[in-house]
Amino acid sequence: QTVVTQEPSFSVSPGGTVTLTCGLSSGSVSTSYYPSWYQQTPGQAPRTLIYSTNTRSSGVPDRFSGSILGNKAALTITGAQADDESDYYCVLYMGSGMVFGGGTKLTVL
Amino acid sequence: QVQLQESGPGLVKPSQTLSLTCTVSGGSISSGSYYWSWIRQPAGKGLEWIGRIYTSGSTNYNPSLKSRVTISVDTSKNQFSLKLSSVTAADTAVYYCARVDHGSGWYYFDYWGQGTLVTVSS
Repeated sequence: QTVVTQEPSFSVSPGGTVTLTCGLSSGSVSTSYYPSWYQQTPGQAPRTLIYSTNTRSSGVPDRFSGSILGNKAALTITGAQADDESDYYCVLYMGSGMVFGGGTKLTVL
Repeated sequence: QVQLQESGPGLVKPSQTLSLTCTVSGGSISSGSYYWSWIRQPAGKGLEWIGRIYTSGSTNYNPSLKSRVTISVDTSKNQFSLKLSSVTAADTAVYYCARVDHGSGWYYFDYWGQGTLVTVSS
């Protein structure tokens, strides 16, 4: 089965920029996988941030952006804030279903 | 505003069948071209897609769970349901229902339920 890979953890300083990535155990991520990104804080349901590679969901600040970087999907947070400290998950569409990445725990310090 | 709410027993015995229902409000489950999906998350771990159903009744399941999962829809009640058979402690998790918006160029979860914890224990 296809494995979607994400960095287990990342840290960023307040005001800094961080890029989280979403790859495949075999092959490259392209826009055809319709990558989407979700933010989750402890005890809460996930919140949709980005879909279709780079479209921000309603109400999502423009400091969050999505792209394809090389052979991976990427989520960039520009001007990180303390409340961006969360788990971030990417999801790839595989035709007959969807696969979650393992998630990245982002620390802002 | 579409809202989803999971409901069902919070405790299930090993080897039994886990049954959950997701009630959709703020819109008809039959309107538009949406899939309706289940996702789960064991404590301290990541999210796992379980499966999806279209209002026509067509389904797709995670291959790792396919032999034990059934997702169904009841359009008259604006609900869809999950059944997971032969459960073990490894099925203990928070279970989320979600709507999948899809079209030419996009496919993503746009609305989520708050989640419900199901514990498998005797």
